Amino acid sequence: EAGVAQSPRYKIIEKRQSVAFWCNPISGHATLYWYQQILGQGPKLLIQFQNNGVVDDSQLPKDRFSAERLKGVDSTLKIQPAKLEDSAVYLCASSQRNYGYTFGSGTRLTVV
Amino acid sequence: TQLLEQSPQFLSIQEGENLTVYCNSSSVFSSLQWYRQEPGEGPVLLVTVVTGGEVKKLKRLTFQFGDARKDSSLHITAAQPGDTGLYLCAGEDNNDMRFGAGTRLTVKP
Repeated sequence: EAGVAQSPRYKIIEKRQSVAFWCNPISGHATLYWYQQILGQGPKLLIQFQNNGVVDDSQLPKDRFSAERLKGVDSTLKIQPAKLEDSAVYLCASSQRNYGYTFGSGTRLTVV
Repeated sequence: TQLLEQSPQFLSIQEGENLTVYCNSSSVFSSLQWYRQEPGEGPVLLVTVVTGGEVKKLKRLTFQFGDARKDSSLHITAAQPGDTGLYLCAGEDNNDMRFGAGTRLTVKP
């Protein structure tokens, strides 16, 4: 079974620039999550999708972050404009209920 | 918002020693999961516990879910350098999963 695919692995941008991350979940997993993991901390949920609908985006900074999951499969997470404090690893995960989450390897974003 | 506290934050031990790390909360969870994360990778699921008092063993790792489903522990017997990593607990309730900050374990050869 193929895992959760994320790209790019690394991204360095200047503050106020835009950036987008892509995630392809495990086939058949209806639920998809984006997490932000700042160095030294645990992952923090940004947004949760069930198929192509948003279940929870209460911790997503909506003034600069946006995410979509068209057709209930792939997902993109965008930051516009980026701030220095957005430097983190952005993790995508997918799940089937009661089976735990499968995470991708993440995208390490550095904002300079 | 559920808050999961993990302790200790850092742990450095010698190969062959035993250790226990803890995950505590004031909230009740329908399930609790433990993950291990290595540098540059995403967390990898180790175990899911769902029943209060449940104990699960995975080779040298023993996981316990508290009777009240608010806390959990992970015990490693005879730790090996390959056990080095960040151990994260995550509690789920009503399809809402929250992570602790993790315990960073270093096992020295």
